[in-house]
Amino acid sequence: EPEVTQTPSHQVTQMGQEVILRCVPISNHLYFYWYRQILGQKVEFLVSFYNNEISEKSEIFDDQFSVERPDGSNFTLKIRSTKLEDSAMYFCASREEETQYFGPGTRLLVL
Amino acid sequence: QKEVEQDPGPLSVPEGAIVSLNCTYSNSAFQYFMWYRQYSRKGPELLMYTYSSGNKEDGRFTAQVDKSSKYISLFIRDSQPSDSATYLCAIRHGGATNKLIFGTGTLLAVQP
Repeated sequence: EPEVTQTPSHQVTQMGQEVILRCVPISNHLYFYWYRQILGQKVEFLVSFYNNEISEKSEIFDDQFSVERPDGSNFTLKIRSTKLEDSAMYFCASREEETQYFGPGTRLLVL
Repeated sequence: QKEVEQDPGPLSVPEGAIVSLNCTYSNSAFQYFMWYRQYSRKGPELLMYTYSSGNKEDGRFTAQVDKSSKYISLFIRDSQPSDSATYLCAIRHGGATNKLIFGTGTLLAVQP
């Protein structure tokens, strides 16, 4: 069964460093999303992406964040200068009709 | 007022019990209501969704929406230890992006 994959599963970085989180959505899906979940808190929408551009972004998704679909399969989230409060699980999702399929997440820890 | 509110639990029940999980939402314009299950250290997995009001059944799971009271429920019959997980209600926000607004999740433990 096709699934969304994410790499790495864990990432530890120093505050101020850039990180790139990678996702491979399900191949025939056209809509892609990033969500994050800070430990003990709810899953929060960050950004949606369609037709090679951002279709919506949340207040969290400030200038430090960017997304890209560099080729036909990968979908990346870049955080330019990480802050302590960026520590969270980051989930990628892709959508077919009403269903969003989530990847297993990347656990990001900013020290 | 938060868009989606959910009792975080935790909820502990014996095997075979009927489980009731609930959420409330604020915007009467919402039409799609989802229930996701999340096992520890995994991504959310869609269990079922309901459009508008009414019930939807899938095996031991029943989703119910009451739009008049802005209340959504998930019932699990004959609960099993493998049902132990966090259950997230989610609303599909309107517009072209279909972003999801999640509740906080309810942690369920089914004791054998």
